[in-house]
Amino acid sequence: DADVTQTPRNRITKTGKRIMLECSQTKGHDRMYWYRQDPGLGLRLIYYSFDVKDINKGEISDGYSVSRQAQAKFSLSLESAIPNQTALYFCATSDQSATNTGELFFGEGSRLTVL
Amino acid sequence: KNQVEQSPQSLIILEGKNCTLQCNYTVSPFSNLRWYKQDTGRGPVSLTIMTFSENTKSNGRYTATLDADTKQSSLHITASQLSDSASYICVVSARTNAGKSTFGDGTTLTVKP
Repeated sequence: DADVTQTPRNRITKTGKRIMLECSQTKGHDRMYWYRQDPGLGLRLIYYSFDVKDINKGEISDGYSVSRQAQAKFSLSLESAIPNQTALYFCATSDQSATNTGELFFGEGSRLTVL
Repeated sequence: KNQVEQSPQSLIILEGKNCTLQCNYTVSPFSNLRWYKQDTGRGPVSLTIMTFSENTKSNGRYTATLDADTKQSSLHITASQLSDSASYICVVSARTNAGKSTFGDGTTLTVKP
């Protein structure tokens, strides 16, 4: 089983619908992230969380919200999806201990299409 | 503003040949630089991680170099294989920006038989 699992892997929805992307991890890491990837562009950070009670906005948080339900679960919501939110979304985890360089471990991605 | 620039944007080589990908960054103060491989439609997977004191790191046929003075890194792939076809992403983290990494746009490598 994958260490970082994202569901759904693919989703097609209509403008205005509410969408939730879920992420769970078995790596025991405290830090979790949501990134967005558009064709030909680098990954951009949407939100990140350093522990269950910590939520931080990334560079492109508008139109998104997150929930850290437990150490192992971090979900991303689009309250009212719009077409320019069509993208590939990645969840990632890291362990920022003193002896660790904060390597990111990514899920397999969730491809979202908003019509 | 912290930036990471990769070149070339895309590259096509023949199987068995070597190639080198470049990464220039302005992230400061520097913490570490990572190279990731991303297969089409998959999540990125780490190849190498280098901190300030390291100037070279190898992972099989992949060798990364780091020049912290000029803020440049390269990823050299030796004896390329068809499975090396992927996007290679350079990611740089700053010590004062905990939890946030700056990603390059990636270099798309295509290895042809």
